[in-house]
Amino acid sequence: SAVISQKPSRDICQRGTSLTIQCQVDSQVTMMFWYRQQPGQSLTLIATANQGSEATYESGFVIDKFPISRPNLTFSTLTVSNMSPEDSSIYLCSVEWSAFNYGYTFGSGTRLTVV
Amino acid sequence: GESVGLHLPTLSVQEGDNSIINCAYSNSASDYFIWYKQESGKGPQFIIDIRSNMDKRQGQRVTVLLNKTVKHLSLQIAATQPGDSAVYFCAEKVTGGFKTIFGAGTRLFVKA
Repeated sequence: SAVISQKPSRDICQRGTSLTIQCQVDSQVTMMFWYRQQPGQSLTLIATANQGSEATYESGFVIDKFPISRPNLTFSTLTVSNMSPEDSSIYLCSVEWSAFNYGYTFGSGTRLTVV
Repeated sequence: GESVGLHLPTLSVQEGDNSIINCAYSNSASDYFIWYKQESGKGPQFIIDIRSNMDKRQGQRVTVLLNKTVKHLSLQIAATQPGDSAVYFCAEKVTGGFKTIFGAGTRLFVKA
């Protein structure tokens, strides 16, 4: 399975600012997925990022708040814009193993605290 | 900082005992199911998967059972060890779809 490097691992940010999270995969993948995990809760899909096209956002998430870039098949970024304390969460990127095995490999996550 | 799983249901077992973690899935069309383990400060890690044409699958110390009639999934861990302490999530997917849906999660605590 792929190996994912995600950074930063954690950050404390002031409200109103933005943070960009980077995700680097050691192999080429078609789709990358961005999840949010609020404290004590499960994972919620934010968006699916395909190379060469706009990301597809899930209900409750919008591009202005969570712009995503996918410049090539091994890299993606998620920006959390105009942050508020409610954005404090763990953000995770992930990729599927293959077209036949749908398990995910996850990055180690970015723990964001907005103050 | 607050750790993952602080408010999740908790299962506490004695080291060496068997653990059973249960999950109810939501979509009757889901045909692929996965269990993930998440340790503090890490992303979820794949444990075992099962397709809907099976009702049981075994791995190393782990067994997944699937009951499609009642949309229920369980993870059995044999001879539970302290290193098994983590939050466990079930996940479901429809083959050909893009989205994987994660269950609420259960925190497993292993007492030495």
